[in-house]
Amino acid sequence: EVQVVDSGGGLVQPGRSLSLSCTTSGFRFGDYAMSWVRQPPGKGLEWVGFIRSNTYGGTTEYAASVKGRFNISRDASKSIAYLQMNSLKIEDTAVYYCTRVFCIGTARGCLYYMDVWGKGTTVTVSS
Amino acid sequence: DIQMTQSPSSLSASVGDRVTITCRASQSISSYLNWYLQEPGKAPKLLIYGASSLQGGVPSRFSGSGSGTDFTLTISSLQPEDFATYFCQQTYTTPPWTFGQGTKVEI
Repeated sequence: EVQVVDSGGGLVQPGRSLSLSCTTSGFRFGDYAMSWVRQPPGKGLEWVGFIRSNTYGGTTEYAASVKGRFNISRDASKSIAYLQMNSLKIEDTAVYYCTRVFCIGTARGCLYYMDVWGKGTTVTVSS
Repeated sequence: DIQMTQSPSSLSASVGDRVTITCRASQSISSYLNWYLQEPGKAPKLLIYGASSLQGGVPSRFSGSGSGTDFTLTISSLQPEDFATYFCQQTYTTPPWTFGQGTKVEI
């Protein structure tokens, strides 16, 4: 069974750091991009960033709101993706979802979509 | 950034109704449009990718159409488990992948 399990959330003070983990199973981890999406309380979905598959160089992209503060990485030996969050702000408070990202090859490169989602882990930034 | 605008923001419907949700992109995104459903307190779930392709395991009462800037999600006969919030998302440009604000379907 394909599974994505996100974990590591908690209460953290503004300016501090927190690391989230995304533990995967049931598929070839290296063949897929992985992404993080967040949802502030009572609000919609916001894409945070993603890391490409090994095939596409394992490079990363981020939303402007987190660029320079957040870092996504992956450990192929453990089939785990990480979201390192630094200099946290109150507005980073949200449920964070890890997702598997599927790529369909097109003339432009990839049509990406998020086909498997974790249940989410809650990050609360407060003093 | 490409802005995604959904309409309506919410709607009321009954079991068996045909429901249509619209998503408009601020510029052309070809068919790089996905739809997700989110039940209260749960993670989103993929319904449609590439504007019109049904994800495996999703009931055939869901369908998607459109290309360029205008897209629709249609539920042909609303079922009790379909009362949820629906989001569209573009992945034409990276970064960022942007979501619509959501459409809440209520009883």
